Amino acid sequence: GAVVSQHPSRVICKSGTSVKIECRSLDFQATTMFWYRQFPKKSLMLMATSNEGSKATYEQGVEKDKFLINHASLTLSTLTVTSAHPEDSSFYICSARAGRRSTEAFFGQGTRLTVV
Amino acid sequence: QKEVEQDPGPLSVPEGAIVSLNCTYSNSAFQYFMWYRQYSRKGPELLMYTYSSGNKEDGRFTAQVDKSSKYISLFIRDSQPSDSATYLCAMRVNTGGFKTIFGAGTRLFVKA
Repeated sequence: GAVVSQHPSRVICKSGTSVKIECRSLDFQATTMFWYRQFPKKSLMLMATSNEGSKATYEQGVEKDKFLINHASLTLSTLTVTSAHPEDSSFYICSARAGRRSTEAFFGQGTRLTVV
Repeated sequence: QKEVEQDPGPLSVPEGAIVSLNCTYSNSAFQYFMWYRQYSRKGPELLMYTYSSGNKEDGRFTAQVDKSSKYISLFIRDSQPSDSATYLCAMRVNTGGFKTIFGAGTRLFVKA
């Protein structure tokens, strides 16, 4: 199956700093990547959808200036959490889809962010 | 009312039992139905993917979709301790772009 690699798997940062999370499709070209956030014992929450070469589409309630998404190539998307606060601590997961007609997306292994 | 309802459990069963996991939904436009398994502190992995009503079987897993009742199920036969995980249902509709809604996930414990 298709492989999506997410890095880092775990990160601890200080309040006020920025953290970048990478999502790479290793064996296919991902025209669309999705970024999710998951709180403990809660369902996945879609944060934004990014298409290669264009601006990300953010879900309602997600601050685009705080969660910067860049999808500069067909194999890499990045999520930068800017000026992190403890309430940003969460599990962030990306998924990637090969082609707009593809109906399935493949998930990365997730990044556990802890802001202290 | 949430678009997708899933009992969070936890559900505890003995090894070898048949497990039934379920979700209900309210949006009749949903076209695709998925089940994911998520181990603790890991990303979700796709287990089953169905498009139409009826059953789809893959090894010990059977996915069932009843569009008339807006009800989907995942059955696990001969459950193993390694099946202990959170199982999420997800549903997707294409309205000029895909919209996917996840259930809250059901926590399953299979006791040896």
